[in-house]
Formats: sequence, C-alpha cells, structure tokens
Amino acid sequence: GAGVSQSPSNKVTEKGKDVELRCDPISGHTALYWYRQSLGQGLEFLIYFQGNSAPDKSGLPSDRFSAERTGGSVSTLTIQRTQQEDSAVYLCASRLSLLGADTQYFGPGTRLTVL
Amino acid sequence: GESVGLHLPTLSVQEGDNSIINCAYSNSASDYFIWYKQESGKGPQFIIDIRSNMDKRQGQRVTVLLNKTVKHLSLQIAATQPGDSAVYFCAENSGDPPFGNEKLTFGTGTRLTIIP
Repeated sequence: GAGVSQSPSNKVTEKGKDVELRCDPISGHTALYWYRQSLGQGLEFLIYFQGNSAPDKSGLPSDRFSAERTGGSVSTLTIQRTQQEDSAVYLCASRLSLLGADTQYFGPGTRLTVL
Repeated sequence: GESVGLHLPTLSVQEGDNSIINCAYSNSASDYFIWYKQESGKGPQFIIDIRSNMDKRQGQRVTVLLNKTVKHLSLQIAATQPGDSAVYFCAENSGDPPFGNEKLTFGTGTRLTIIP
C-alpha cells in the first residue's frame, strides 16, 4: 500500500474486555513499531519488530499487553482486560530496515476509548 | 533518566513570519534526531532529520539546527503558512546495540498556531 494503515480507526470498549488493534505496514518495510499517545502527550514506545521477532518488549505497560507479527507484515496489538487508563491513540510505524538512519513512517492511529 | 523535552508547549506566529521551535535533549549518546509534524487526527509526519555529525540541515522551508554542546535542537520554519499549524515533536534515537537507531524517544510536543 501507499502508507501505513491501521484498523479500526476508533474503538470503544467496556472495561474488562479484550481488544485487538491491527497495523499494515508499508510493503517491504521490515521494522514495525507500536507507540501509545495519551491526550496532549508525546509518543510512548511500546514494542518493535524486526521481521517477526520482537527484540525489545520493555515498553509494554503490563502483561495485559501483547503483540505479534506474522509473515513479516501485519501486526496486531492485543490488550486484555482493558482498563480506563488504556484509553489513548495507538500508533503504528514502519521502517525500511534497522540499518542506517531511514525514518519511521506512521499510520493514522487507532483511538481507543475504554468506558 | 534520559529524556527529550520542549521549552514551549505553545507558539503562535503570524502568517508569513518565521517560526522557531526548540527542543532540549539529555542523552549525550544520541546521534540521530528527527522532527515530526502531527496534525489533528493524524499520525506524525516526518519533516526532517539530522545526524550528530552535522550542525545544520535544510529542507524545503525548514531548517534543523543541532547544538551538541548544550544538547539543543531547533526547527525553523520559514514564511509560515496556515497549513503549518500542527503539533511538532522532536525525537532522538535511544536504541541499544547491535541495532542502533531502532527506538525513538519523543518529546511532549509544541503546538504551533499560524495566525492569518
């Protein structure tokens, strides 16, 4: 595709429910990133993938958060037993590779609201 | 801990004037910096980047200046237009070897408003 796409664009859920957020990176990009952006805040790094492996999961806020990537392309971020503090915009970015200084390109984000 | 921060949370500039957005960083090991622009309801958009072996880099209407001595980064936008109104973030690489620049640390952001 032309850019990074994410779905859904908006998700409203009830506290305690599980949610799954999807990211389709730019075709050919091997590195994929997930960030969280709370209202009026900067971006908080969650996790990144090189291919299908995630070398650094240190940014995940709790064990309720998990992510996977299959086929070196699509990635899903799963939040189990959602809490109100999980409400934020979840942004995905992809990058051609981890070598060199090529930049990350962001998708439009998924706005998650936990009631 | 290491952090990236911005001096001013908001900035209003008259259309046609130049604007300067500042950013302080504290990780002396960072060697790559990026400026992103984020419009309402959209993801961050790459504007310009600079490596630590440079002091200045110019793009179309934008210039990034890096002062490693005082760990300061700035974004200059010339002849501002209404479309420049957005939140601007600076980011620094904070990745660890062996991959290097794989993780970015973002500042809180500065909201730039262009006054017609």
